[in-house]
Formats: sequence, structure tokens, C-alpha cells
Amino acid sequence: DTAVSQTPKYLVTQMGNDKSIKCEQNLGHDTMYWYKQDSKKFLKIMFSYNNKELIINETVPNRFSPKSPDKAHLNLHINSLELGDSAVYFCASSQSGSGVGETQYFGPGTRLLVL
Amino acid sequence: DAKTTQPPSMDCAEGRAANLPCNHSTISGNEYVYWYRQIHSQGPQYIIHGLKNNETNEMASLIITEDRKSSTLILPHATLRDTAVYYCIVRVAVAGGGADGLTFGKGTHLIIQP
Repeated sequence: DTAVSQTPKYLVTQMGNDKSIKCEQNLGHDTMYWYKQDSKKFLKIMFSYNNKELIINETVPNRFSPKSPDKAHLNLHINSLELGDSAVYFCASSQSGSGVGETQYFGPGTRLLVL
Repeated sequence: DAKTTQPPSMDCAEGRAANLPCNHSTISGNEYVYWYRQIHSQGPQYIIHGLKNNETNEMASLIITEDRKSSTLILPHATLRDTAVYYCIVRVAVAGGGADGLTFGKGTHLIIQP
């Protein structure tokens, strides 16, 4: 079984649309994250959720909103998509998020292309 | 988190040991050194981490200098599947602290030659 899974794997859409990316982890972890990897391959943290609470929120546009229906899921909603949103989005999870010697497990990524 | 410096790319022959250096001269006493890698078109994968002592697991060894200002990741017998971008990350570890994302730099693109 895949530890961290994301759907869809590929997403092609028009500017202005609203879309969602789903993430599920079956590791029993308490914290989940969303990262964005742009065309230059820079990987940056966007959000993290711990026990249904937003812990960090980097300076991303408010068109992006994470939603966590339960501890095993962290979905990413994007409103009014723009060309610059084209990127690969990775979900990750970790045991507690405390950072004390713990590791993050990443999903396979969702490749978003905005036309 | 402290910044790290890595060479942009390295080559290594298949079957040989790959030694990937990382400088983190401003590392603080409570910061761990983590190594992740990203194989093409996949999500990042954890390799190893350490605080002060050298560490070894089934994937690699991590050698941290005594002053902790640099470290080396060693893949003892590199295979073609080890071709990837390797990221050295230093990260504050605070017990009970809030979740913090990893700060990825540009990493080292390791190419294993047949």
C-alpha cells in the first residue's frame, strides 16, 4: 500500500477554473504538508496541518486553501487558477511535526498545468 | 534554518562510493542535518539524518565533522538507480514545537555513470 497518495497525478485546466488536489496518508501521522515545485525545480513549503489545525502558512496567495476532513487527509483547493500556478504539488506527512529527528514522507506529486 | 551549500552536480561510476559534500557553517547546536533525494519525476525521499555523531543505515552513511560545519553523505556502492538530486537540509528540532516544513536548496545532481 502506498504510504502517501495523491490524486490526480496529472491535472490540466484552464485559467480561472477552481480545482482540488487530494492527499491521503495511511501512516497514522499527525502532520501533513503541501509543497510546490516550480519549473526551476525549487521545492517550497506551502502549508502544514497538525491535528486539523493550520500550523504554518507561507506567503502563498489566499486562492490556495488547505482542507483537512480528518487526520489522514489534507486536500488543496485552488481558486481562480493562474498560469503561474503551473507546477508539481507534493503532499507529505510526518509523525508529529515536532521536528525532533523525524522524517517526512512524500507523495508522488500532482502535475498541474494551467492553460 | 541555516543555509547549506552543495556542489550543483557530481558524477560517480557505478559500483563505486559516491561522496556528496555539504557545508553548513552557520548550523546551530539544536539543528539536525538531514539528507533527502529526489529521483526524476518522483517525490523527495528521506535518506538519513544526524545531529553530532556519524550515522549509518541501509541506504547510506552520514559523516559529520567535529565542528558540525560540514557533512558528507556516502552511498557505498552506487547504482544507476541512485541518479537523483540530493538535498542537504539543516533543521531546528524542538520537542513539542510546531510543524515546520523542510527548506530545500538547489541540491546536488548526482549522475551515476555505467
